[in-house]
Amino acid sequence: GIQVEQSPPDLILQEGANSTLRCNFSDSVNNLQWFHQNPWGQLINLFYIPSGTKQNGRLSATTVATERYSLLYISSSQTTDSGVYFCAVRAYGGSQGNLIFGKGTKLSVKP
Amino acid sequence: GAGVSQSPSNKVTEKGKDVELRCDPISGHTALYWYRQSLGQGLEFLIYFQGNSAPDKSGLPSDRFSAERTGGSVSTLTIQRTQQEDSAVYLCASSLSTANNEQFFGPGTRLTVL
Repeated sequence: GIQVEQSPPDLILQEGANSTLRCNFSDSVNNLQWFHQNPWGQLINLFYIPSGTKQNGRLSATTVATERYSLLYISSSQTTDSGVYFCAVRAYGGSQGNLIFGKGTKLSVKP
Repeated sequence: GAGVSQSPSNKVTEKGKDVELRCDPISGHTALYWYRQSLGQGLEFLIYFQGNSAPDKSGLPSDRFSAERTGGSVSTLTIQRTQQEDSAVYLCASSLSTANNEQFFGPGTRLTVL
C-alpha cells in the first residue's frame, strides 16, 4: 500500500520563527490533507490539497503531485501552533475511501 | 450539530467487557470512517461506510470489532471482550461523499481497558 513519510519528526522553534514541514508519499493520490492535532487530541483540518498551493493566514501548503510531496509552511510561529502536524493521503484509484496517515511532526514553539 | 460528535469522551472498562462507542457525523455527509490512535501504531483505519453500500471492514484488527450505521447517519463501534491492547483513542470522521473526500474528525473517545 501507499507509504507516507513526514519530516522532521520533531521540531523546536522560538516564537516568531518560520518553518517548513514535509510529507512524501509513495504513489499517486487524489486526496491529501494536513491536520493539526492540538494538546486535547482534536484533529483540526488545515488544508485539503491534493495538488497546487493554498494559503490561510500564517499557514500555506503546496503539493507537487507529480513529484509526490507536499510542504506545509508556518510563518511567524506562535505558542498556540504547538502540537502534532499530520499529513494524510488517499491513494488514487484505491477502492478504499480511508486516509493513510504519516507519523506526524511534533512542533514545540517556545515563548 | 456543526461538527462530528462522539460519545462518550472517555470510557474505562475492565478486560473482557463489551463497549459501544458512538459517532454522529456532520449532517448530509454520506461517508463515515472509524480510526484509532494508539502510541505504538499511530493513526490507523478501522472501517468505512459509504451510503447504503456494504462497509469496508478491511482495517478491523479482529472479529471482536464490529460497527454498524443505522439510517445512513449515526454509527456505533462495538468492541467485544475488550483486551488491554484495545486501549486507544477511537476517532470518527465523515466526508460529504467518496468523490468529495475531505474528512472532518470528531473529538474522539479515549478507551482505557484495565
